[in-house]
Amino acid sequence: QSALTQTASVSGSPGQSITISCTGTSSDVGGYNLVSWYQQHPGKVPKLMIYEVSKRPSGVSNRFSGSKSGNTASLTISGLQAEDEADYYCCSYVDSSTLQFGGGTKLTVL
Amino acid sequence: QLQLQESGPGLVKPSETLSLTCTISGGSISSSNYYWGWIRQPPGKGLEWIGNIYYSESTYYNPSLKSRVTISVDTSKNQFSLTLSSVTAADTAVYYCARRAFTWDFDYWGQGILVTVSS
Repeated sequence: QSALTQTASVSGSPGQSITISCTGTSSDVGGYNLVSWYQQHPGKVPKLMIYEVSKRPSGVSNRFSGSKSGNTASLTISGLQAEDEADYYCCSYVDSSTLQFGGGTKLTVL
Repeated sequence: QLQLQESGPGLVKPSETLSLTCTISGGSISSSNYYWGWIRQPPGKGLEWIGNIYYSESTYYNPSLKSRVTISVDTSKNQFSLTLSSVTAADTAVYYCARRAFTWDFDYWGQGILVTVSS
């Protein structure tokens, strides 16, 4: 199985909105509503931000939202803040009960 | 509050077997609602799913690692373990243990442990 495809980097100014995409196939992203997103600050543990494509765990800001269209899932961060600067990883269930992470996207807040 | 803590050697020689344990506190590994998993991250690189286990010992592994990986559970100690055989430098990574929901996401993570493969 191949890693899900994410843009290597994205940037935005405080207050703006940005979207990070995660492209897979019909065997993973497109076939199941089991996509999750993780935020990882440098040297820190990954944190679950979105699960089941668009659900937010308790305590996660509503500035973070998820969606999916076909084989591509997206994470949108609105009202960008300096603390949002981090690496973001998507993850999807894959046929045969396995999981696949994306390669990660580095978000820079200008 | 659920906590997970990885433990094990930080240095393993090439061709040997890497063994790590994850100890759970503040919750039970025998919970019927969750799986328990291992994820790794080579220095400067992305996350890679290794595998999951249920308390009943049902397991799922990454196909690319399946021939070298075993995940086991010890309910009496509230722990689960990872063994990875025939390691090479490419297995150098921070290894995380985590709780996996039935929705296939990881909501609680350990702090991670760096394992270096070197002679």
